[in-house]
Amino acid sequence: EPEVTQTPSHQVTQMGQEVILRCVPISNHLYFYWYRQILGQKVEFLVSFYNNEISEKSEIFDDQFSVERPDGSNFTLKIRSTKLEDSAMYFCASSLNAYNEQFFGPGTRLTVL
Amino acid sequence: ELKVEQNPLFLSMQEGKNYTIYCNYSTTSDRLYWYRQDPGKSLESLFVLLSNGAVKQEGRLMASLDTKARLSTLHITAAVHDLSATYFCAVDTDSNYQLIWGAGTKLIIKP
Repeated sequence: EPEVTQTPSHQVTQMGQEVILRCVPISNHLYFYWYRQILGQKVEFLVSFYNNEISEKSEIFDDQFSVERPDGSNFTLKIRSTKLEDSAMYFCASSLNAYNEQFFGPGTRLTVL
Repeated sequence: ELKVEQNPLFLSMQEGKNYTIYCNYSTTSDRLYWYRQDPGKSLESLFVLLSNGAVKQEGRLMASLDTKARLSTLHITAAVHDLSATYFCAVDTDSNYQLIWGAGTKLIIKP
């Protein structure tokens, strides 16, 4: 069964460093998303991406964040200068179309020291 | 602003009992999703409810949607330990694709 994959599973970085989180969505899906979940808290939307551009972003997704689909399979989230409060689990998701069920990857745990 | 509220946030129950988790949302939507999350794991899709009156069942779980009341319920029948997890409801709207999430209900089922 097709699934969303994410790498790495755990990333530890120093404050101020850049990180890139990688995702491979399900191959025939057209919509891609990033969410984050601070430990023990609710899931928060970051950004959605369709047709090679951002379709929506939340207030969390400020200038420090960017997304890219560099090739036909990968979907990346870059944080330019990490802060302590960026420590969270980051989930990538994809859906076949808008307003369809979103399928989530296993997540990347980001720890900023 | 779309808000999604779940209750209870924490539920401890005995095996064999029935219980219901409630999900209220604040704006018009015809689409509601239930996800399950085990500790340290990803979000697993349980149910997709796409219209008023929709009811879906999988094993001991049944979900329903009342769009007029802006309410969805997740009913657990004769709970078993394996259902212990955190359950989230989420809503999207016609004006955006993002999912807005409830805070989650942590369910512990004791043998």
